[in-house]
Amino acid sequence: KNEVEQSPQNLTAQEGEFITINCSYSVGISALHWLQQHPGGGIVSLFMLSSGKKKHGRLIATINIQEKHSSLHITASHPRDSAVYICAVPYNTDKLIFGTGTRLQVFP
Amino acid sequence: EAQVTQNPRYLITVTGKKLTVTCSQNMNHEYMSWYRQDPGLGLRQIYYSMNVEVTDKGDVPEGYKVSRKEKRNFPLILESPSPNQTSLYFCASRNRGTDTQYFGPGTRLTVL
Repeated sequence: KNEVEQSPQNLTAQEGEFITINCSYSVGISALHWLQQHPGGGIVSLFMLSSGKKKHGRLIATINIQEKHSSLHITASHPRDSAVYICAVPYNTDKLIFGTGTRLQVFP
Repeated sequence: EAQVTQNPRYLITVTGKKLTVTCSQNMNHEYMSWYRQDPGLGLRQIYYSMNVEVTDKGDVPEGYKVSRKEKRNFPLILESPSPNQTSLYFCASRNRGTDTQYFGPGTRLTVL
């Protein structure tokens, strides 16, 4: 069993739809990262959160430390949101365990 | 512009021919890491460094070496590449006390 699991693996949506991507982990952590990998391959850090909720534009990330679960929501999705979304959890000073990613495609 | 650069971006080589992938950051970050990304396996950490001359193994260090002689540079060395090292490689850095990682653009390596 993977220590960090994401669902779904693939997701398609129509422009404007509300998107939810889930991340569950089995290791004990105090924080979680959400990353975005563009179709060209580049990776950008979206959020790091240790409790509650964070919002950046149309992106909202929530985490429940007790349930070891985090969600990434995209409101009013747009084709430019098409990317792979990856969650990662730290388990040492600079060690990260990554989920295998959720590939999102948003069609106009 | 704050960035992490990697070179080369694409490389096709043959088994056993030593190669180095360079990584450089201009943000004075203490922490640097190397990852490989493979289909179905996601990103996996190869090596990381907490400062100059301080490096440690990640989850998949076999077949790789690193060095950190200068704060800005963290090269990845494959002494004798093999086909199972064909992958997409990312370098990343972050500052002490922060959690945001800055990733390089990636290096796609093919070992024949």
